[in-house]
Amino acid sequence: KAGVTQTPRYLIKTRGQQVTLSCSPISGHRSVSWYQQTPGQGLQFLFEYFSETQRNKGNFPGRFSGRQFSNSRSEMNVSTLELGDSALYLCASSVTAGGPTDTQYFGPGTRLTVL
Amino acid sequence: AQSVTQLDSQVPVFEEAPVELRCNYSSSVSVYLFWYVQYPNQGLQLLLKYLSGSTLVKGINGFEAEFNKSQTSFHLRKPSVHISDTAEYFCAVSGAGTASKLTFGTGTRLQVTL
Repeated sequence: KAGVTQTPRYLIKTRGQQVTLSCSPISGHRSVSWYQQTPGQGLQFLFEYFSETQRNKGNFPGRFSGRQFSNSRSEMNVSTLELGDSALYLCASSVTAGGPTDTQYFGPGTRLTVL
Repeated sequence: AQSVTQLDSQVPVFEEAPVELRCNYSSSVSVYLFWYVQYPNQGLQLLLKYLSGSTLVKGINGFEAEFNKSQTSFHLRKPSVHISDTAEYFCAVSGAGTASKLTFGTGTRLQVTL
């Protein structure tokens, strides 16, 4: 079974631009979560989608948004990019949402660099 | 809200030696605890998790962890490490109502040398 895939793997943008990252969960998984990883702040939860609905949201500004499609694929968008948005963005999928027995499987991440 | 503290940012160890990576958590409600490993340029891989029941949890690659409620700890151990265990290790916690929302520690870099 294929794992979680994220595209693109690397991305370079300039300040003020916007960016869209994509995540394809493992087949059969309906929950997708997004995390931001930076050297200074570590791993921080962005949001989680289940059945096209946002179920949980982290403490990030409104410039960060996401959505999930009917096939469970998810995208996250960051508008008006800032230098501090440079990070590794990780996507994780699980079969359902909210169940502790439900393991989250992580993708390799998208490395975003903002110049 | 939950939080996790990983007490050591780096742990150097010789190959075949035992290792313990420390993790303490804080929460006012029941929690679920996890250890993830991240190899260079890769995502996170689940090593093990504690949900309930036996306090000693065995995971992949020979790792195990012990949940200690009185000390609010969930330390990761391996009796004999290999060079291939060199990686970043993250302890994480989630609450019963937000099990899919993980709060991570700052990570411990395990450096195994000959």
